[in-house]
Amino acid sequence: NAGVMQNPRHLVRRRGQEARLRCSPMKGHSHVYWYRQLPEEGLKFMVYLQKENIIDESGMPKERFSAEFPKEGPSILRIQQVVRGDSAAYFCASSPTEETQYFGPGTRLLVL
Amino acid sequence: AQSVTQPDIHITVSEGASLELRCNYSYGATPYLFWYVQSPGQGLQLLLKYFSGDTLVQGIKGFEAEFKRSQSSFNLRKPSVHWSDAAEYFCAVGSLNTGGFKTIFGAGTRLFVKA
Repeated sequence: NAGVMQNPRHLVRRRGQEARLRCSPMKGHSHVYWYRQLPEEGLKFMVYLQKENIIDESGMPKERFSAEFPKEGPSILRIQQVVRGDSAAYFCASSPTEETQYFGPGTRLLVL
Repeated sequence: AQSVTQPDIHITVSEGASLELRCNYSYGATPYLFWYVQSPGQGLQLLLKYFSGDTLVQGIKGFEAEFKRSQSSFNLRKPSVHWSDAAEYFCAVGSLNTGGFKTIFGAGTRLFVKA
């Protein structure tokens, strides 16, 4: 059983471009969480999704950020018009039963 | 509101010495408690978790943690540290409510191991 997969592992964007981060949960997991980690900090919750539904997006900025988890395919975290402050590591976690989360390797976004 | 405090930003121990990483939480009910380890450039790996039952929890890689309700603590311990244990360790508290399950992470403790 493959673990949580995230791609790309590293992403470089210029200010104003769009960043699209993908997360494929573990097989059989229907809960997906996205977190952001700034340098030297812990993980901050962004959004919690189940298939085709956003359950909790209280940690996600209201503008420029969106997330989806379609019926088919990976979960996508989209950041429009990126700014330098968006540079961070973005982690996805999946869970079969909500409580125990399994993390992917992360996508490290660098905005120039 | 839930919160997690890891008082030590970094700790250095000698290889073979014992280790204790501190974690204090704030939560009204019995929380779900977790310890994760993160190696440089990697994601988080679950070391152990506490949901209920025996307050001494055994995890992977020889780690254990003890839930102490009276002290609101969930400290991580290992009797003999190996050089490969050098990493960042995160304590987390989770709660299940109408909006789903939410996990709050501490700021982390970076462990250095000296020969």
